[in-house]
Amino acid sequence: SQTIHQWPATLVQPVGSPLSLECTVEGTSNPNLYWYRQAAGRGLQLLFYSVGIGQISSEVPQNLSASRPQDRQFILSSKKLLLSDSGFYLCAWSRLVGRFTEAFFGQGTRLTVV
Amino acid sequence: KNQVEQSPQSLIILEGKNCTLQCNYTVSPFSNLRWYKQDTGRGPVSLTIMTFSENTKSNGRYTATLDADTKQSSLHITASQLSDSASYICVVTHYGNNRLAFGKGNQVVVIP
Repeated sequence: SQTIHQWPATLVQPVGSPLSLECTVEGTSNPNLYWYRQAAGRGLQLLFYSVGIGQISSEVPQNLSASRPQDRQFILSSKKLLLSDSGFYLCAWSRLVGRFTEAFFGQGTRLTVV
Repeated sequence: KNQVEQSPQSLIILEGKNCTLQCNYTVSPFSNLRWYKQDTGRGPVSLTIMTFSENTKSNGRYTATLDADTKQSSLHITASQLSDSASYICVVTHYGNNRLAFGKGNQVVVIP
C-alpha cells in the first residue's frame, strides 16, 4: 500500500535560519507531489507542485523553494526564514488511477518562526 | 477567485444533531470531488469521493451529495459526535491536468 511520510512534525526556528522539510512517498511511482501551507483559521494554500523529477511549479511568489531530487522525494526549503513563514505545512501526493485521482496527505509540519 | 467555495465557514452544533455543509465549485472540466476531514494539527483524511455520474455516497454517518449540473456538493453529518469536531474540506479535481482545487474548509465544532 502507498504511504506518505513527512517530517519533522513540529519545528521552531529563529528568523533568518534555513529550513528543510522533507516528504517521501512509498508504494507508488511517478506521483504528482504538492506542498501546501495552512495558516491558522485559513484554507490550504498551494505552494508548489511537481509532476516529475526536477519539475517544480510555484503557485505564489514567496520566500520558499522546492526540489524533487528523486521520484518520490519532495523537499521544501528556505535560505532565510521570515516570521510570516510560520504555519502548518502539508505534503500531498496524487495519482490518476483509472478515472479517479487518488490524493493523500502527510501528517503535516507545524513551523513556528521566532 | 477561488474555484471552490464552502459554506458556512464555521458552525457549532449540539452533540446528536445533524448538519449539512455546502461546497460550490467552478472547476471545469471536472473529474471528481472529494470531502476530507482534517483534525486540528493533522493532515486531511479522505471521507468520500464522487465522479460526475454519482449523486450520493455514504461513509458511516457522513453522506455526500453531488449535482454536477449546478456544480454543488454537500456533506451531511448525521447524529453528530464530539469526534466530528474538525475542518471539512471540499477538493475538486480538474479533468485532464489532475490539478486539485481546495475549498477553505468548513470548521465544525460539536458541543455536548
